[in-house]
Amino acid sequence: KAGVTQTPRYLIKTRGQQVTLSCSPISGHRSVSWYQQTPGQGLQFLFEYFSETQRNKGNFPGRFSGRQFSNSRSEMNVSTLELGDSALYLCASSLGQGIGQPQHFGDGTRLSIL
Amino acid sequence: GQQLNQSPQSMFIQEGEDVSMNCTSSSIFNTWLWYKQDPGEGPVLLIALYKAGELTSNGRLTAQFGITRKDSFLNISASIPSDVGIYFCAGHGGSGGSNYKLTFGKGTLLTVNP
Repeated sequence: KAGVTQTPRYLIKTRGQQVTLSCSPISGHRSVSWYQQTPGQGLQFLFEYFSETQRNKGNFPGRFSGRQFSNSRSEMNVSTLELGDSALYLCASSLGQGIGQPQHFGDGTRLSIL
Repeated sequence: GQQLNQSPQSMFIQEGEDVSMNCTSSSIFNTWLWYKQDPGEGPVLLIALYKAGELTSNGRLTAQFGITRKDSFLNISASIPSDVGIYFCAGHGGSGGSNYKLTFGKGTLLTVNP
């Protein structure tokens, strides 16, 4: 069974640019969550999508946005990139939102801002 | 917001020793999860706990969901070199906010000396 797939694995951008990251969840999983991982802040929740709707959102500025498609694949977009956006962006999927449905992570996209 | 205090931050042990790490929260959780992350990869789910007082094993790993629902511990018995990595606790649900986002501890870096 294929795991969570994130593309690209590595990305280098410059300040002011925008970026789109992609996540394909485990087959059958309908909930997709995004996290930002940095050495200083650790793993922080960005947002969660279920059935193409954003259900939950973390404390990140509006420059961070996302969407989910009918096949449960998700994309995350960051506009007007800042140096502090350099991080590992992780996507996690689960069957749904209920208890007993743990999240499984992809290997992430390493975003570096120059 | 909800915070998880994970300790210790790092551990350096000899192969064959047992290891214990724990997480405490300022508020209750409905689910506790333990993940391991290797360099360049995403977190991998080790154990999921769903009921207060629950004790669950996965091979040499044992984890417990604290009776107060505000803490959890992970034990690794007879450590081996491949146990090296960063271990994260994560809480799911609770009284302080969204029921479906994961709140992560800062991680415990485990080093095993052969």
